[in-house]
Formats: sequence, C-alpha cells, structure tokens
Amino acid sequence: GDSVTQMEGPVTLSEEAFLTINCTYTATGYPSLFWYVQYPGEGLQLLLKATKADDKGSNKGFEATYRKETTSFHLEKGSVQVSDSAVYFCAVNYGGATNKLIFGTGTLLAVQP
Amino acid sequence: DAGITQSPRHKVTETGTPVTLRCHQTENHRYMYWYRQDPGHGLRLIHYSYGVKDTDKGEVSDGYSVSRSKTEDFLLTLESATSSQTSVYFCAIKIPSTDTQYFGPGTRLTVL
Repeated sequence: GDSVTQMEGPVTLSEEAFLTINCTYTATGYPSLFWYVQYPGEGLQLLLKATKADDKGSNKGFEATYRKETTSFHLEKGSVQVSDSAVYFCAVNYGGATNKLIFGTGTLLAVQP
Repeated sequence: DAGITQSPRHKVTETGTPVTLRCHQTENHRYMYWYRQDPGHGLRLIHYSYGVKDTDKGEVSDGYSVSRSKTEDFLLTLESATSSQTSVYFCAIKIPSTDTQYFGPGTRLTVL
C-alpha cells in the first residue's frame, strides 16, 4: 500500500549547520507532498508543500523539491537555528475520495547553540 | 490559523468508560478528519467526514465512532476506552479546491 519513509531521528545539529531530512514515498499516481512541523507541546503546522513534479516548496528558510524520478521530497535548510528544534513530518496525499494524508513517522531535530 | 478548536485539550479516564472528543471549526469546511499520533507511527487516520452525516472509516477505526450533525462539529467517541487508545488526537480540515489539511491543537488522552 501507499507509504512514506522518513529518516529516523533524532538529528542533532549545531546552530548554523546545514539540515537535510530525507523523505521518500511509494510511487502511486501523482500525489501532493507536504512537510509539517510540530514544535514542543503544540499541534502540527504546515511548513511547505509541492503539488507536481519539480515544484519547490519553501517557507521560513526551509525548502523541498518534488522529485518524481526518485520519489523523494527531502527537506533542507541552509542554516538552522535553535528555534527550529521540533519534530518534522513528511506527508503525502494521494487524492481520491478521502484525500487523506499518509504520514512518515516524524524526525526529531534538536539544534544546539 | 484555520479556526479549529478541540476540546478537551487533556483528559485522563479509566478503562471501560466512554469518551467523546470534540472538533469545532468556524469556516464551514466540508471535509474533516480525525487522526491519532503515536510514537513510531506518525499520524494515522481514524475517521473522516465529507459532509453533514457523511462519514467513513480510516485505517485505524476499530473502537472509534464519529458523528457530524452540523458542519462545524465533528465528534469522535470511544465507546469503551482501552489503554491502547492512549494517544494524542488531532482534528484536521481540508481547504476547498486544494488537498491541503490544517490541524487543530490536539487532545492528549490517557486511559488508565
């Protein structure tokens, strides 16, 4: 069935380091791809999205490119801050009647000063 | 802010008791969802609704029921709570003409 595989954490980085969190999905149809972020004690916030191949989603310095040939949607940021410490979820919407989201298991990012 | 509230935000209950969680939205979106969040699983869909009185099951629906008697409210009921239902529950709405979902603040439920 449809699935999303996300790199396991925790990922620990120093401030200003480069961040990559890998995400791959099963290749069924033409899904939309999302990254959500969950700060400690809070709900999920939409970070960015991409709806078709080669689209780049970006927000708050984070970027991810919809790579259909590799079925990937890796999250990157050039210089992380302590305030970026959170859990990041990759999610895929394959459409259809439900429009449900399939989530990865989440990656905890801890940024140290 | 998609105007989604959830109540209660925290609840502790005992095995075998009924529990109802409420999701309320202010913008009359047609699609609403209930997910549960568990370590190692991300979020998984419990039930969803595509209109008043129109609901369907998700991938982890056993032990849960839902109701939607008006557009703004989507209720999730655990008829007889079990410890395996200890989780954080999130409600979401889907923006019309897109496939983007926005989430409520969550309800942390503990079943002792």
